[in-house]
Order: sequence, then structure tokens, then C-alpha cells
Amino acid sequence: QKEVEQNSGPLSVPEGAIASLNCTYSDRGSQSFFWYRQYSGKSPELIMFIYSNGDKEDGRFTAQLNKASQYVSLLIRDSQPSDSATYLCAAHFNKFYFGSGTKLNVKP
Amino acid sequence: GAVVSQHPSWVICKSGTSVKIECRSLDFQATTMFWYRQFPKQSLMLMATSNEGSKATYEQGVEKDKFLINHASLTLSTLTVTSAHPEDSSFYICSASVGGPGNEQFFGPGTRLTVL
Repeated sequence: QKEVEQNSGPLSVPEGAIASLNCTYSDRGSQSFFWYRQYSGKSPELIMFIYSNGDKEDGRFTAQLNKASQYVSLLIRDSQPSDSATYLCAAHFNKFYFGSGTKLNVKP
Repeated sequence: GAVVSQHPSWVICKSGTSVKIECRSLDFQATTMFWYRQFPKQSLMLMATSNEGSKATYEQGVEKDKFLINHASLTLSTLTVTSAHPEDSSFYICSASVGGPGNEQFFGPGTRLTVL
């Protein structure tokens, strides 16, 4: 079983819609969770991190963490074509574990 | 803040030669640096974790004698691919951790290595 699992997608949403990206993790000891965005041919860039249960908002992005269900999600409001990328979820407990990423396509 | 640079951004070399990649944290001191490899359309693969002044910790299956890591200071880590072969062609990415409460990693722009 992989430590961090994501649906590979692609997830297609129309411009202006809410994109919902999901991630589950296996280690209950995981303490911090991260969302990265990676454009094709580029390195990942940090979007946000969360380590408390509940929601954390930053602009159009909201991260949600449910430790009981071992579930992390990222909501992107008012999706733009420029949001089209692969989104990587990561969990940290002593070391980092990255998911394989979900490819998001935002259609104009 | 939290800018990480890599050099070179791309390199082409002949089979059998060695290639050194530098990773620098420009505006912070990184307690830990990480080296990843990513093949086309595949996920990140952690190769090793390094702390300044100590030996790197390599992931299972990564040859430490082939991928030499030197973490000379809190702002510089280098990865040397020794006796490179075409199968080593990949996108090599470093990241650095500030060691804060979130322990977030900040990634460098990556180095694309092509071995002929």
C-alpha cells in the first residue's frame, strides 16, 4: 500500500468551476500535509500546507484535513486555465511521502 | 522568500562521464536538502536526504557510489552522477527544508540530464 494515494486523473472542470482534488494517507502519525502544483516540465511549487483538522484558506485555494478519515483535499475556486497542472499531495511524518499526483485540466 | 536554485538547468553529456549538479538555498539556511528524480510522466522519486555536515541517507535501490551527495554548508548541496549512462537521463530536482513547524520543502527549478 502506498503511503499517499491520489487519483491520477485527469480531472476536467470548466473555467470558473470549483476543482476538488483528493488525497488519502496511510500513516496515522503523519503530522503535516502539503499541496504542490507542478506544470509540465517544471519542478513542483508549494501551494499551501495544513496540519490541523479543518479548513485552511489562501486566496482561491482551500485545503481540508480530516485526520480521523486520513483524508486531505484541495479545493480550487473559480478555476482558471492557468490552473491546469498536476497537483501533488504530500504527507510528513519523519520523512516526506509524495502521492503520484492528479492531473487537472481546466477547460476555457 | 524560500528560493532554491539549481545549476545547471540542463546538461548533455557523453556516456561514462560524471556530472555535478548544484543546489543552493538563496535566502535561507536549509537544515535538510532532498534530491529527487522524475522520469517523464512519472511521479517524484526521492533519491536521498542530506543534512549539512553528515552523510546522506539514500533511499532503497539508489546506489550511493553512483549518486554522490555532498552537503557542504547550510546553503549548498551537490549531487554528482558518476559514470553516467543513458538510463540516468532524467529530471533531477532538489528541495530544501527550512525546518519550521510545517517542515515544508521548497523545490529548485530542476536539472534536465541527457546522457548520450
